[in-house]
Amino acid sequence: AQTVTQSQPEMSVQEAETVTLSCTYDTSESNYYLFWYKQPPSRQMILVIRQEAYKQQNATENRFSVNFQKAAKSFSLKISDSQLGDTAMYFCAFSPFFGNEKLTFGTGTRLTIIP
Amino acid sequence: GAVVSQHPSRVICKSGTSVKIECRSLDFQATTMFWYRQFPKQSLMLMATSNEGSKATYEQGVEKDKFLINHASLTLSTLTVTSAHPEDSSFYICSALFQRGNDEQYFGPGTRLTVT
Repeated sequence: AQTVTQSQPEMSVQEAETVTLSCTYDTSESNYYLFWYKQPPSRQMILVIRQEAYKQQNATENRFSVNFQKAAKSFSLKISDSQLGDTAMYFCAFSPFFGNEKLTFGTGTRLTIIP
Repeated sequence: GAVVSQHPSRVICKSGTSVKIECRSLDFQATTMFWYRQFPKQSLMLMATSNEGSKATYEQGVEKDKFLINHASLTLSTLTVTSAHPEDSSFYICSALFQRGNDEQYFGPGTRLTVT
């Protein structure tokens, strides 16, 4: 069974600053997929970024990037130039399958962007 | 594109009654949908995987007779909570798998169930 751990229940950062959210996971799979999801106050989950474990290059989506350390089983999310709309719960998630079936979520980090 | 809706968004029912929650993929067909449960300030827990035209696959510890899932068409899956009890009160979220190369789950806005 896979486990996903997010050790930061809450974080806050000033608008326009950079923030990094941590995530570690445990699995015996050799290939898998990692995700960061955002859950704003509206509660609808939105995919922020995904990383395929066999790809060494870290994924990037505009202001969002990851630091994927496969040996350390670490998958952190960096948000650059943070904006007020980034305020949300952020969940790290794992899937052993192509695509993102059978997602296992971490416990989440509540991020608040301070104006 | 890739919009998933849920209905109702909120429902209050009395203990012992049943309640049905609908999950629809509005602009794509989904052979696979998922049902999650989220307790307050907690993570999402996968309850079951719903495949069109076949029986749902339930995660360990989820009572299949209590949480009935029907995936009758490529755009609709329903979750029925039977004989609801206050401990079933939770936020229920569905997602639909959009298969287009990089398969991706698109999530509905969730349904808050309160059992009194």
